[in-house]
Amino acid sequence: EPEVTQTPSHQVTQMGQEVILRCVPISNHLYFYWYRQILGQKVEFLVSFYNNEISEKSEIFDDQFSVERPDGSNFTLKIRSTKLEDSAMYFCASSAYYLDGNTEAFFGQGTRLTVV
Amino acid sequence: AQSVTQLGSHVSVSEGALVLLRCNYSSSVPPYLFWYVQYPNQGLQLLLKYTSAATLVKGINGFEAEFKKSETSFHLTKPSAHMSDAAEYFCAVGGGSQGNLIFGKGTKLSVKP
Repeated sequence: EPEVTQTPSHQVTQMGQEVILRCVPISNHLYFYWYRQILGQKVEFLVSFYNNEISEKSEIFDDQFSVERPDGSNFTLKIRSTKLEDSAMYFCASSAYYLDGNTEAFFGQGTRLTVV
Repeated sequence: AQSVTQLGSHVSVSEGALVLLRCNYSSSVPPYLFWYVQYPNQGLQLLLKYTSAATLVKGINGFEAEFKKSETSFHLTKPSAHMSDAAEYFCAVGGGSQGNLIFGKGTKLSVKP
């Protein structure tokens, strides 16, 4: 069964460093997403990406965040200068179509980012 | 705006007992509602979804959920818990102007032998 894969599963980084979280969405999907979950809190939407550009983003997704689909298979989330409060589980997801309720979003297993 | 509230961050049941995980939503538009499950070290997997076709929705692994508009609820149930049901369960709402999902905080289900 096709699945979304994320690497690494766990990343530890020093405050102020740049990190890149990687995702390989399902191959025929067109919409890509990043979500995060700070420990004990809700899973929060960060950004959606379609047709090589950001289609929607939340207020969390500020200038320190960026996304890219560099080679047609990977979908990356970059955090330019990490802060302690960026420590969270980051989920990548993809869907074949726009999420209107008839379409399922498939999620990866997550990358746990720890900023020290 | 849409939101989801999951009552109880941790629910513990005995094997064979009824599982009831609560979810209430708020939405200004007809909602699409979802339950996702996350087993340890795995991604979020769709259990079931409500898209206005039927108020009682059956999902995988014997789970079902009933959409009650009057109560703005979408509680998840399973008649008889199994040890393998131990996981974290997330309720989510979609269908707003944004093509994304709004999640609840999640409920961790423990099953005692």
